Amino acid sequence: DGGITQSPKYLFRKEGQNVTLSCEQNLNHDAMYWYRQDPGQGLRLIYYSQIVNDFQKGDIAEGYSVSREKKESFPLTVTSAQKNPTAFYLCASSIKQGAARGYTFGSGTRLTVV
Amino acid sequence: AQTVTQSQPEMSVQEAETVTLSCTYDTSESDYYLFWYKQPPSRQMILVIRQEAYKQQNATENRFSVNFQKAAKSFSLKISDSQLGDAAMYFCAYRFSWGSGNTPLVFGKGTRLSVIA
Repeated sequence: DGGITQSPKYLFRKEGQNVTLSCEQNLNHDAMYWYRQDPGQGLRLIYYSQIVNDFQKGDIAEGYSVSREKKESFPLTVTSAQKNPTAFYLCASSIKQGAARGYTFGSGTRLTVV
Repeated sequence: AQTVTQSQPEMSVQEAETVTLSCTYDTSESDYYLFWYKQPPSRQMILVIRQEAYKQQNATENRFSVNFQKAAKSFSLKISDSQLGDAAMYFCAYRFSWGSGNTPLVFGKGTRLSVIA
């Protein structure tokens, strides 16, 4: 079955460490997105990519980095520069001209700084 | 920049009753799309209903319907015959389409709906 897989489901990070969240899709979708969810804040856009080898910053990109070397994969690295990384992270994808269809979402990764 | 506002952080409804969740948005675009997503305790995001701005007719999906007021930039969600399984966080979202691409979805902060048995 086609879908988006995020891993791991839970991730613990020590302060000062970089961690990478995985997002893989087999839907042949062109665009992929990363959002951060905090209580009372809704979903805020971190980065997005419309095509391979290209990506754009969202509203809260500071302290994060991404790559898009393959159409299927859009990993998110949370760097030590991100001062408050504890949050729930959602990855999503959509077809290039599918504005009306919305997104397909992954099941999320809960990141906790210990 | 486009913004989406959900003015009700929390709502509650009795089982089998009807509830309306509010959403307003700000945009200068004329061609755009609006969505309601549901996030149950599992945290999996589920598309509930969508509306194309160029369509005057309000979208409906079984017990879920919207009241789309384009001039007022309002997009409320009505849930009829509420069920225990409707308890969730509901997010309103907006995006517009341009040329050969899409803009990312812009989300509101959400409304947490409780259903009372």
